[in-house]
Amino acid sequence: AQSVTQLDSQVPVFEEAPVELRCNYSSSVSVYLFWYVQYPNQGLQLLLKYLSGSTLVKGINGFEAEFNKSQTSFHLRKPSVHISDTAEYFCAVIKFGNEKLTFGTGTRLTIIP
Amino acid sequence: NAGVMQNPRHLVRRRGQEARLRCSPMKGHSHVYWYRQLPEEGLKFMVYLQKENIIDESGMPKERFSAEFPKEGPSILRIQQVVRGDSAAYFCASSLDRGGGTEAFFGQGTRLTVV
Repeated sequence: AQSVTQLDSQVPVFEEAPVELRCNYSSSVSVYLFWYVQYPNQGLQLLLKYLSGSTLVKGINGFEAEFNKSQTSFHLRKPSVHISDTAEYFCAVIKFGNEKLTFGTGTRLTIIP
Repeated sequence: NAGVMQNPRHLVRRRGQEARLRCSPMKGHSHVYWYRQLPEEGLKFMVYLQKENIIDESGMPKERFSAEFPKEGPSILRIQQVVRGDSAAYFCASSLDRGGGTEAFFGQGTRLTVV
């Protein structure tokens, strides 16, 4: 079975500062990797995904993530955050050949003006 | 092209009542997934359906919960005899095709409160 660990439940960051949200996964088989964002009282929106190819993946809203197979990590980064980035961020995996997402417990990003 | 539509957005039920949650997938999508988000937790997979078929219900509680996706109409998640522990946000997602690489689009969720 797969599992996803998001070590930081809350991350406060000053506006225009860089941010990294950490995600580690565990799986005995190959997986696809995803980051979703959830704004208050909204559904989830896909930020980016890694399926194959280049390990550096660029997504929407200036976010990017790097897949590191040896460290089984898929950390999310943004060089300069904005107030509008305040939201909950979820890392997720899908096992090859499967359809169900396994989510981490989420990281609440709070931007301080 | 409208996104995934879920209704109602908020639902309050007394213990012992039934809850029916509806999900209309994006146009052209025939794959539907239900997830549950308990307070302060991530989303947990419940069930995966295609039109008229349940493909994977490994995340569904064994009792009181059922799901369907008929040939016509929305997908329905039904919870019978609700209990306080059923209070959660229930999200539906749909995709154009099966396979983990296909993007799943999420609805805004139904927030169920059992009083």
